[in-house]
Order: sequence, then structure tokens, then C-alpha cells
Amino acid sequence: GQSLEQPSEVTAVEGAIVQINCTYQTSGFYGLSWYQQHDGGAPTFLSYNGLDGLEETGRFSSFLSRSDSYGYLLLQELQMKDSASYFCAVRSGGYNKLIFGAGTRLAVHP
Amino acid sequence: EPEVTQTPSHQVTQMGQEVILRCVPISNHLYFYWYRQILGQKVEFLVSFYNNEISEKSEIFDDQFSVERPDGSNFTLKIRSTKLEDSAMYFCASSGLQALTGELFFGEGSRLTVL
Repeated sequence: GQSLEQPSEVTAVEGAIVQINCTYQTSGFYGLSWYQQHDGGAPTFLSYNGLDGLEETGRFSSFLSRSDSYGYLLLQELQMKDSASYFCAVRSGGYNKLIFGAGTRLAVHP
Repeated sequence: EPEVTQTPSHQVTQMGQEVILRCVPISNHLYFYWYRQILGQKVEFLVSFYNNEISEKSEIFDDQFSVERPDGSNFTLKIRSTKLEDSAMYFCASSGLQALTGELFFGEGSRLTVL
């Protein structure tokens, strides 16, 4: 089977740094993506790691360790608008489908 | 900026009725997907579609479900006889080569409520 584990909730204050971890067990692995979803909205792509290491995109960075089946999303200089759910997703199998984790709800407070 | 569009945004139906959810993917994309999300839960894969046929489907995508790309622009999901547990947000997604780097483009979703 396939499973992705991530914390259900994280709370932080504006300006802080938060790390959302994701561990996975999948049959077939091509890479790990991160998506953001605001309440009632569509998931939007944030970042992708196909190889081990750190990818940086502005305030957001993502890390992957294939040997540990582990990745994380790092959000810096948190803003109120970052309050949302964050999903890790594994690119698995042919035709590039994504399998999503259960999501981490991030609440940013003043 | 091109986007995936979905209609209707919200549909209410009676149990046992047929529902068709419509999607217009981004025009030069090759891969098409349907996902669903029950309120407050994770985004679940239903089906992927490539080269005018289903390429992969999940165990959720049983005989009650079907997909079609009737012309060059629309991509539809049909639920033949809806059940209460089909109530969810249904997201259409599409991608081109970006799929190789884990990037799918999602529509805003169609909320289905089965009474």
C-alpha cells in the first residue's frame, strides 16, 4: 500500500519559521511535491523534489531524503496569508499521478 | 494566465441520480485527472486520463464512475447513480510536461451534495 504521514496541525506566529514534515511509504517513487490549499480553494503547487537535497523558492524551501523516505517543507517569515493546509504528495507510478497526504493545517497568529 | 475551469461550482442532487461534472483543462496539456476531497480530509486520486483513454484509476473509481473527453476541450466525470458518500468536492487537474516535476494545475472544484 501507499501511505504518507504528516502532522495534522501546526501553529506559529507571524515572522516565525515553521517546518512541516512528511514521511512516506509508496510502491514506486519519483518525487515529492508540496501543495497549499486555502479553505474552499484549489490545491496550488508550491515545490517539488525529485532528488535529495534542498529546493528554495522564495520564502518556501523543500527538502528530500530518499534513503529516509522523508521530506519537509520550510516556511520562513510567516505571514497571516500563509494560514492554509499544506499537503505533501508523492509522484508515483506511470502517468504522473500524485498521491496526497492527509494535510497539515497551519495557523499563523499575530 | 491559463487556468482549469470547472462547472458547476456546486450541485445538489438526490441519491440515485446521475451527475456530470465538467472541466475545461488548460489547452495544451496532455494529462488529465479527477480527484475528490471529502470535507476536511485529504485529496484522493480517482482517475488519470492520457491519449484519450484512462491510464490509471483508484479503487474508488468503480463502475459508477466514468470519464470522457468528448471533444478537444472538455473533460467530464459522470457518476451514474449517486450515493450519499459521493458528497465531496471534486477537483479536475491537468498538466503538461510539468507533471514530470510533480506540478498539476487544479480547478476550483465542483462541490457535490447528495441528499
